[in-house]
Amino acid sequence: DTAVSQTPKYLVTQMGNDKSIKCEQNLGHDTMYWYKQDSKKFLKIMFSYNNKELIINETVPNRFSPKSPDKAHLNLHINSLELGDSAVYFCASSPGLSNQPQHFGDGTRLSIL
Amino acid sequence: GQNIDQPTEMTATEGAIVQINCTYQTSGFNGLFWYQQHAGEAPTFLSYNVLDGLEEKGRFSSFLSRSKGYSYLLLKELQMKDSASYLCALNTGGFKTIFGAGTRLFVKA
Repeated sequence: DTAVSQTPKYLVTQMGNDKSIKCEQNLGHDTMYWYKQDSKKFLKIMFSYNNKELIINETVPNRFSPKSPDKAHLNLHINSLELGDSAVYFCASSPGLSNQPQHFGDGTRLSIL
Repeated sequence: GQNIDQPTEMTATEGAIVQINCTYQTSGFNGLFWYQQHAGEAPTFLSYNVLDGLEEKGRFSSFLSRSKGYSYLLLKELQMKDSASYLCALNTGGFKTIFGAGTRLFVKA
């Protein structure tokens, strides 16, 4: 019954590795997002997709590549992980335009050793 | 660009009333959200204001003044479980929501 689910919940890996985080929503929403929340708890938008099309791409290193195989899924692949990538990554979805509240997944806690 | 200011931390007593302020500057404004985030958990939606005035929803109310670039979240009859971060977020139009850094509220007995 989980509305927005992300896997894995915890990810501990070494610098230089490549990793992926998966996100799925069963709410029938058209729009999905990836956010990064750093140690200061600031929630920053990274990407947004609407009906599988990229609509927001903030200033994010090109080591981060989102992929949306269908509108219920938005995955995040990160190449050549760096220490500064350590954060909590949240996936979210909303019905459409930004006047609709977003539903968040439980987050993926990424730690780079 | 956009700028959102909230106090970093607040402390209040169980049973009391607390007001968490949010001021903002933005070139485009369509509405303002408040979200609650407990430590280690996901943010959850509390309220959305588009027009000026106060909107009440149980123990929580949210106020907006568009001319002053100001909003507040009012929590009444505080409970220990209200200890959390409260995030003010701007709907700037299109598909973008900009979040503030949040206010950590500590409720003490």
